[in-house]
Amino acid sequence: EVQLVESGGGLVQPGRSLKLSCLASGFTFSNYGMNWIRQAPGKGLEWVASISSSSSYIYYADTVKGRFTISRDNAKNTLYLQMTSLRSEDTALYYCARQRRPTDSFDYWGQGVMVTVSS
Amino acid sequence: NIVLTQSPATLSVTPGESVSLSCRASQSISTSIHWYQQKSNESPRLLIKYASQSISGIPSRFSGSGSGTDFTLSINRVESEDFSIYYCQQSYSSLSTFGAGTKLELK
Repeated sequence: EVQLVESGGGLVQPGRSLKLSCLASGFTFSNYGMNWIRQAPGKGLEWVASISSSSSYIYYADTVKGRFTISRDNAKNTLYLQMTSLRSEDTALYYCARQRRPTDSFDYWGQGVMVTVSS
Repeated sequence: NIVLTQSPATLSVTPGESVSLSCRASQSISTSIHWYQQKSNESPRLLIKYASQSISGIPSRFSGSGSGTDFTLSINRVESEDFSIYYCQQSYSSLSTFGAGTKLELK
């Protein structure tokens, strides 16, 4: 069974940093691209970042470029999102999602982890 | 960036009705559109990929169509479990985007 389990969320002050993790199981992690997608409270879905299976291709939404860094460790079956210079507008539920190829859909999603940026 | 415009924002229907949800792209994206359902307090679930391809485990009452800039998600005979929010997403660009969603609610 495919499972994606996010962790690392919490309450953080504006301007500070936080690192999210997504532990994958039930499939060959190194064969899949991975993504972070977020959802602010009561709002829609916003794609945040993607990374290819071998980390060769990485893309970011304009809203986080230069502040967030996506990475992965295929040996540990884990996806990461390093978030710096956090703003109140980064407050959201962050999902990790699997993607077979860069043009594919997101076929499995985690349950999400909440990040709250507030003083 | 490619903008996806979903309409209507809210659709009020009674169970048994058939409905169509629209998603329009700001430029041609071939069939690189995917549809998701999100129920309250749950993660999104993939319903349809590449505009019209079915997904294993998804009821056959869900279908998709379209290409280029105009896409439609159809639900044949809405059931009570279908009342939720539906999002379209494009993967044509390396910078993926989602539509704002259509909320399907009970009339």
